[in-house]
Amino acid sequence: ILNVEQSPQSLHVQEGDSTNFTCSFPSSNFYALHWYRWETAKSPEALFVMTLNGDEKKKGRISATLNTKEGYSYLYIKGSQPEDSATYLCAFANNDMRFGAGTRLTVKP
Amino acid sequence: DTAVSQTPKYLVTQMGNDKSIKCEQNLGHDTMYWYKQDSKKFLKIMFSYNNKELIINETVPNRFSPKSPDKAHLNLHINSLELGDSAVYFCASSQGVTGGSYEQYFGPGTRLTVT
Repeated sequence: ILNVEQSPQSLHVQEGDSTNFTCSFPSSNFYALHWYRWETAKSPEALFVMTLNGDEKKKGRISATLNTKEGYSYLYIKGSQPEDSATYLCAFANNDMRFGAGTRLTVKP
Repeated sequence: DTAVSQTPKYLVTQMGNDKSIKCEQNLGHDTMYWYKQDSKKFLKIMFSYNNKELIINETVPNRFSPKSPDKAHLNLHINSLELGDSAVYFCASSQGVTGGSYEQYFGPGTRLTVT
């Protein structure tokens, strides 16, 4: 993988559902993996920065895992709420920043 | 207090003009960035500045030039604007070095429309 790829492109879930999405990135020359939350008409806000293989980070109902050897990270949202609706971006950092296209999450009440 | 601010928020101008977008951060960060959100909504890094030195210069046209009068400011100058320059431009800042392990703080974005 040369670029950062995110899947799915979009996701619609019901309030209360748990969900997860994937970020795939180059497994060589890894330095850091960033996750950002981007609400419509706002600017991206940092969720996590992960650097070590096997890292797991958590912020409230949102958590992320990192596998640098195989080049992927998962973002999990437990018990989705309408306010979680946003685009979730990951970025591969190694002397520059390469962003994925994002996963657009819509949580229906 | 706004951590990363950009002015103007909207900029409408004609082809061929020269324009600037200003960015200021009050976080004491070492590195500042400019990103372009392209037509497919991708965020692509254009430049970063660390301690007033250009660290990254992606393959952007040389009509675009970053100018950093001090550590808290990174302005973007665009000469001879073209239709394809229409986009949203985001400024950001972080501690540490470019593309490192520190989270980035983004400004609100500047929507540039070239007519």
